Amino acid sequence: DAGVIQSPRHEVTEMGQEVTLRCKPISGHNSLFWYRQTMMRGLELLIYFNNNVPIDDSGMPEDRFSAKMPNASFSTLKIQPSEPRDSAVYFCASSLELLSSGDTDTQYFGPGTRLTVL
Amino acid sequence: DAKTTQPTSMDCAEGRAANLPCNHSTISGNEYVYWYRQIHSQGPQYIIHGLKNNETNEMASLIITEDRKSSTLILPHATLRDTAVYYCIVGYNKLIFGAGTRLAVHP
Repeated sequence: DAGVIQSPRHEVTEMGQEVTLRCKPISGHNSLFWYRQTMMRGLELLIYFNNNVPIDDSGMPEDRFSAKMPNASFSTLKIQPSEPRDSAVYFCASSLELLSSGDTDTQYFGPGTRLTVL
Repeated sequence: DAKTTQPTSMDCAEGRAANLPCNHSTISGNEYVYWYRQIHSQGPQYIIHGLKNNETNEMASLIITEDRKSSTLILPHATLRDTAVYYCIVGYNKLIFGAGTRLAVHP
């Protein structure tokens, strides 16, 4: 199994530019999560999907951020326009499902995308 | 979601057991205790989780107190490759990561 695949691994862009981060979850996984990690704020959950439907986007910082999951094998996180404070490592994770019991199925994380906004 | 309290850092000698504590005094009845770790520059990795009972897998053991207000992750024979930040998370349906414990395993 290839695991969760993220691209690009590194992105350097200038303030004001649009940035698109991509994620391919593990085949057969129905839940997908986007996280952001910075030194100041640690690892933050931005949004998660179940069966391609956004379930909770309360962690999305502002309207400049948007996430989509057009099909079970692909998701994007877009920042438009980007700002220097968006510089962070963005992780995508997937799990088999959201369990009705409240138990969180094991999440498998990708290698992350290191974003630098100049 | 309940909050957790962990020591900022810990040291452990290689080959010895590493015992990482976590306080979660506000945990509710349906919330699970999860442990993940993050080795430098990598994505977090699942270790173990439990609800009430103690759990053991090939990586670690999880001891949850009877009142569920605290837990301990045990790495029975720590190696240098276990050096990482360890996150104790209490949650329902989603994971909210705290600052974690930075474990340094030394020769």
